[in-house]
Amino acid sequence: NAGVTQTPKFQVLKTGQSMTLQCAQDMNHNSMYWYRQDPGMGLRLIYYSASEGTTDKGEVPNGYNVSRLNKREFSLRLESAAPSQTSVYFCASRGQGNTYEQYFGPGTRLTVT
Amino acid sequence: AQTVTQSQPEMSVQEAETVTLSCTYDTSESDYYLFWYKQPPSRQMILVIRQEAYKQQNATENRFSVNFQKAAKSFSLKISDSQLGDAAMYFCAYRSNPFSGTYKYIFGTGTRLKVLA
Repeated sequence: NAGVTQTPKFQVLKTGQSMTLQCAQDMNHNSMYWYRQDPGMGLRLIYYSASEGTTDKGEVPNGYNVSRLNKREFSLRLESAAPSQTSVYFCASRGQGNTYEQYFGPGTRLTVT
Repeated sequence: AQTVTQSQPEMSVQEAETVTLSCTYDTSESDYYLFWYKQPPSRQMILVIRQEAYKQQNATENRFSVNFQKAAKSFSLKISDSQLGDAAMYFCAYRSNPFSGTYKYIFGTGTRLKVLA
């Protein structure tokens, strides 16, 4: 049981390049999330998907797009990377039930030069 | 809007001693969930403990326990018998009542815990 997986683990981009961060979960969870983590700022929500077919903006959505491809997969796209998007990106999911805990992927460290 | 504040950027504790990490939050809701997550150097986020606001009893998981003060909007984490493996960044997180229609979680800025041998 892999849980939440993210690819790639590391990426270096030049300003203006585009890329897609992939996330998949095998726990049959409905809700999925993308966060970015910056020093001294904790985790900030970029986008989330409450269920397959729906996506909503979080706290810092500018410069990003998402796709909930199916129940398992939730991708994050940077269309034109900027140095301000240098960060560690985490994908998370949450299933049904009343514990409401999130399960996190291992993160992607992205550097934009 | 809800906020979560962790006022201690860094804490240190001697191995085998006890340490308490602070978290306060602001909300107008009466029902919600609170969490502590641990992030070791591996970067993986690991759930340490959760607390449902409607439960008066403080949650406990082995050496980890919380002091949940609902009226004061305080949710501190106590780590007893600290071990070297407890060294990590700790995040406090808040989740609204699911029936509020929101699916968002709000995280504090984290407390880095150092364990001294």
